[in-house]
Amino acid sequence: QSALTQPASVSGSRGQSITISCIGASSDIGTYNYVSWYQQKSGKAPTLMIYDVSNRPSGVSNRFSGSKSGNTASLTISGLQAEDEADYYCSSYTSSSTWVFGGGTRLTVL
Amino acid sequence: QVQLVESGGGVVQPGRSLRLSCAASGFTFSGTGMHWVRQAPGKGPEWVAVISHDGINKNYADSVKGRFTISRDNSKNTLYLQMNSLRAEDTAVFYCAKRGSGSYYAMDVWGQGTTVTVSS
Repeated sequence: QSALTQPASVSGSRGQSITISCIGASSDIGTYNYVSWYQQKSGKAPTLMIYDVSNRPSGVSNRFSGSKSGNTASLTISGLQAEDEADYYCSSYTSSSTWVFGGGTRLTVL
Repeated sequence: QVQLVESGGGVVQPGRSLRLSCAASGFTFSGTGMHWVRQAPGKGPEWVAVISHDGINKNYADSVKGRFTISRDNSKNTLYLQMNSLRAEDTAVFYCAKRGSGSYYAMDVWGQGTTVTVSS
């Protein structure tokens, strides 16, 4: 199972919006609405930000939103804040009953 | 609150074995599926294994199949990962993660991780 493809880095100014893409295949993102997004700050464990493509866990800001089209999922962060600076990883359930992660995107808030 | 605490990491020679533990609290462990996920230095997370709430159903990443075994003791609220025939490429921080409350397919709580270094 190949890793999902994410851009290595994105950046945006405070208050702006950014979108991170996550490209998969028909065996994962293309078939299942089971895409999750995780935020990881330096030296810490990942935390769940979005599940099942577009759902936010309790406590996650509504500035975070997710979507999917075909084999590509996206995470959008609106109204960027300094605290959003982190690494972001997508993940999907697969047809092999396994999970696959993306390589990660480093978000820099200017 | 929900808490997962991993232990058992360390430095081990190639070909040797190691067993990781994950102590769970703050939720009904016996009713929840659990994962192991690892993250090599400077890399993204890699899913390793999953086990159902009752320990009956298990699945593994191809990279560890036949070498690693996931198990659990619901009487002790503890998850395990037995790692045999360790290789240098197994060097990583290993996290246990709980299956999501809102989604069976997400991991909604992660432990702090335990570091495994495979080196001669």
